[in-house]
Amino acid sequence: DAGITQSPRHKVTETGTPVTLRCHQTENHRYMYWYRQDPGHGLRLIHYSYGVKDTDKGEVSDGYSVSRSKTEDFLLTLESATSSQTSVYFCAISEEQGGHTEAFFGQGTRLTVV
Amino acid sequence: KNQVEQSPQSLIILEGKNCTLQCNYTVSPFSNLRWYKQDTGRGPVSLTIMTFSENTKSNGRYTATLDADTKQSSLHITASQLSDSASYICVVSEGYGQNFVFGPGTRLSVLP
Repeated sequence: DAGITQSPRHKVTETGTPVTLRCHQTENHRYMYWYRQDPGHGLRLIHYSYGVKDTDKGEVSDGYSVSRSKTEDFLLTLESATSSQTSVYFCAISEEQGGHTEAFFGQGTRLTVV
Repeated sequence: KNQVEQSPQSLIILEGKNCTLQCNYTVSPFSNLRWYKQDTGRGPVSLTIMTFSENTKSNGRYTATLDADTKQSSLHITASQLSDSASYICVVSEGYGQNFVFGPGTRLSVLP
């Protein structure tokens, strides 16, 4: 699992409340990603980071913000959760292996916004 | 627009049978193509990765093929086992390999 831990694993929250999901990695990887996975869709990139304090938007970044103050932690924040943000969220890291960029995923966080 | 399509959406087979999953992509520039297995409630795990110059790659009972001319890939599973029940996701990397385009996955159910 490339030392990736997501927390919490499950969360139910109310519409309009802020929510922060945490991704922690233990192997000093430079690149970290946040994806959401919804039925009928492939994983879609929300935000990614290429170093401490270096982040950029992905395909579906509206309503989400991220922060990376330390190499090992990448936080995803929903400033005001909406029902459309009910999803399974995956954190990933990438590393070079055998000349290829390989991606490793965390176990996921199931978020339900009611 | 970069896209990855997979078929079928879902598949049910009996234990011991073979099956083939399909992936078509329109990602450019192409860097590599991977197949991931995702068990229910878990994150995807890489099965194979192929670059432009590779047209087949095996990992145990899993064999992936790539036709870069037609932009198609397949994943063949031989002698299926109950533990093969999972979603299989085709992922194409764009450009220098840090941008991943995910297919929607094929849900495989292997029945006893």
